Amino acid sequence: GDSVTQMEGPVTLSEEAFLTINCTYTATGYPSLFWYVQYPGEGLQLLLKATKADDKGSNKGFEATYRKETTSFHLEKGSVQVSDSAVYFCALTLSNTGKLIFGQGTTLQVKP
Amino acid sequence: EAQVTQNPRYLITVTGKKLTVTCSQNMNHEYMSWYRQDPGLGLRQIYYSMNVEVTDKGDVPEGYKVSRKEKRNFPLILESPSPNQTSLYFCASSLVGGQPQHFGDGTRLSIL
Repeated sequence: GDSVTQMEGPVTLSEEAFLTINCTYTATGYPSLFWYVQYPGEGLQLLLKATKADDKGSNKGFEATYRKETTSFHLEKGSVQVSDSAVYFCALTLSNTGKLIFGQGTTLQVKP
Repeated sequence: EAQVTQNPRYLITVTGKKLTVTCSQNMNHEYMSWYRQDPGLGLRQIYYSMNVEVTDKGDVPEGYKVSRKEKRNFPLILESPSPNQTSLYFCASSLVGGQPQHFGDGTRLSIL
């Protein structure tokens, strides 16, 4: 069945380091892909999305490119800040459905 | 202010005692959905609704019911709660089906 796999955390980085959080997916059809962020004690926020192959989603310095050939949607940021510490979720949805499938989440800790 | 409001935020109850978690949005969104979040499992979709009177099962619907009688409300009903339904629950809404953009702050349920 359809699924999303993220790299296990926690990921611990120093401020201004480069961030990559890996996400791969298995899906029938042509999914749309998303990254969500959850700050401590809060609900999720949509961070970025891509709806077709080779699309790049970007927001707040974060980027992810929809790679159909490797079924991946890795999240990157060039220089992380302490305020980026949160849990990041990769997710997919299939066209014309309301179903949304999440990965297990990756905790990012950024130290000053 | 755009909001998804869940109530209650916290609830401790006992096995078998029916409970309802309410969810309301003020953005006139057609799409609403419910998720549960458990450690190591990420978020899993329980039910979703593409519009009034249209609901469908997500990945883990067993033991839950929903209704969508009006656009703004999407309550989650546990007819006979059991301890394995102890979890953190989120409601979400969006204009586009399957791409939730606004999440509530969560409801933490403990079933003893």
